[in-house]
Amino acid sequence: DAGVIQSPRHEVTEMGQEVTLRCKPISGHDYLFWYRQTMMRGLELLIYFNNNVPIDDSGMPEDRFSAKMPNASFSTLKIQPSEPRDSAVYFCASSFSGTGHNQPQHFGDGTRLSIL
Amino acid sequence: GNSVTQMEGPVTLSEEAFLTINCTYTATGYPSLFWYVQYPGEGLQLLLKATKADDKGSNKGFEATYRKETTSFHLEKGSVQVSDSAVYFCALSSGGSYIPTFGRGTSLIVHP
Repeated sequence: DAGVIQSPRHEVTEMGQEVTLRCKPISGHDYLFWYRQTMMRGLELLIYFNNNVPIDDSGMPEDRFSAKMPNASFSTLKIQPSEPRDSAVYFCASSFSGTGHNQPQHFGDGTRLSIL
Repeated sequence: GNSVTQMEGPVTLSEEAFLTINCTYTATGYPSLFWYVQYPGEGLQLLLKATKADDKGSNKGFEATYRKETTSFHLEKGSVQVSDSAVYFCALSSGGSYIPTFGRGTSLIVHP
């Protein structure tokens, strides 16, 4: 089975540009999560969706960040305008609620974002 | 609220040494406990899990036992390999929430 697919794997862009990160979750999973990972702050949950509906975006650092999930097989995380401090690895993960909270998350390989 | 505390890294070992990475937790109710591993340049992947007290999760030679009395889920391996070099995350889910709480991660470096 295909895992969580993220694109692009690497993105280098200049400050002020719009950045769009993409994620395809595992088919059948009803939860989707966006994380950011940095050396300083570790792994941070930015936002998560349940059945394509955003449930909690309290981790989104600023209004420059937005996320959408137009259907069960696709989600985007957008940064506009981008700043150097947004440089990090961004992960998408999905999970299935199944029989309870014993279901693990499945992570993509991440997008390494560098803002110059 | 829920929290997970892991030992600070990096942990540096020689090949074939015994590994322990400590993890303790605070949670409401009866959490499920997980260990994830992150290899360089990759995302986190599930290593093992345990869903009730005294359960032992195991995979690839790694083991962890769910200890409710000490609220711990320590990761162990009897003989580490260079290929085990990675970052290890302890995590929990509880209280009907599907949102896991992760520890800060512990880096393991294994030398030949």
